[in-house]
Amino acid sequence: GAVVSQHPSRVICKSGTSVKIECRSLDFQATTMFWYRQFPKKSLMLMATSNEGSKATYEQGVEKDKFLINHASLTLSTLTVTSAHPEDSSFYICSASTGEYDYGYTFGSGTRLTVV
Amino acid sequence: DAKTTQPPSMDCAEGRAANLPCNHSTISGNEYVYWYRQIHSQGPQYIIHGLKNNETNEMASLIITEDRKSSTLILPHATLRDTAVYYCIVRTRSGYALNFGKGTSLLVTP
Repeated sequence: GAVVSQHPSRVICKSGTSVKIECRSLDFQATTMFWYRQFPKKSLMLMATSNEGSKATYEQGVEKDKFLINHASLTLSTLTVTSAHPEDSSFYICSASTGEYDYGYTFGSGTRLTVV
Repeated sequence: DAKTTQPPSMDCAEGRAANLPCNHSTISGNEYVYWYRQIHSQGPQYIIHGLKNNETNEMASLIITEDRKSSTLILPHATLRDTAVYYCIVRTRSGYALNFGKGTSLLVTP
C-alpha cells in the first residue's frame, strides 16, 4: 500500500530557530499533500494544502510566513517552522493523496516538535 | 462535508466485538463515510469506507443504515492494540482534506 515517510519523528529546538519537517511519499506520486497540527488531547487541525509546483493554500489563522510549505516534487513536501516559539510546540502530521479517493489518504507517522 | 457525532469514549473487553457508532444525519447522496484511527503519538490510519452498502475488510466491518444517517464500525475481535481514537469522517469522493472531529477514544481492556 501507499507509504508516507515523515522525518524527523522528534525534534527539540531553541526558541527563535527554524525547523524543517520532511514528508515523502515512498511508492507513489502525491499530487496533493496536507499538513496538520495536533495539540495534546485535541483532534487534528488542518494547516495547509500543498499541490506540487504551486503555492500552498493555508487555512484561516495559519501564518503562511511562519509555516513555510514547499512541494517541489511529486514525492516530497516540506514544512518549515520559522522563528519557532514555545507555543509552536505540537505534533505535526502530513498526509498525501494519490488521487485515488477510494482509499482515502495516507498519513505520515508525525513529528513531535518541542521548542524550548 | 457533513458533520458527524461520535461518543467521546468507549470501553471494550479484549476478544469481544467493539461497535463504534457514528451519527451523520445531514449526509448527502454523494458523500462517503470514512473511518480512521489514531494510536497514541502516531499518524492516523485508514480503516474502511463506504457509500451505502455494508463493507468488510481485514480490519473491520462498516454497517451503514438504510437511510445513511448513521453507521457503525465493528472490530470483530478487539485486541489491546486496537486501543486508539477512532474518527468517523463524511466527505465527498472528490473532496480535499479530511476534517477530523473529536472521535471516539476506545479503550480495550484485558
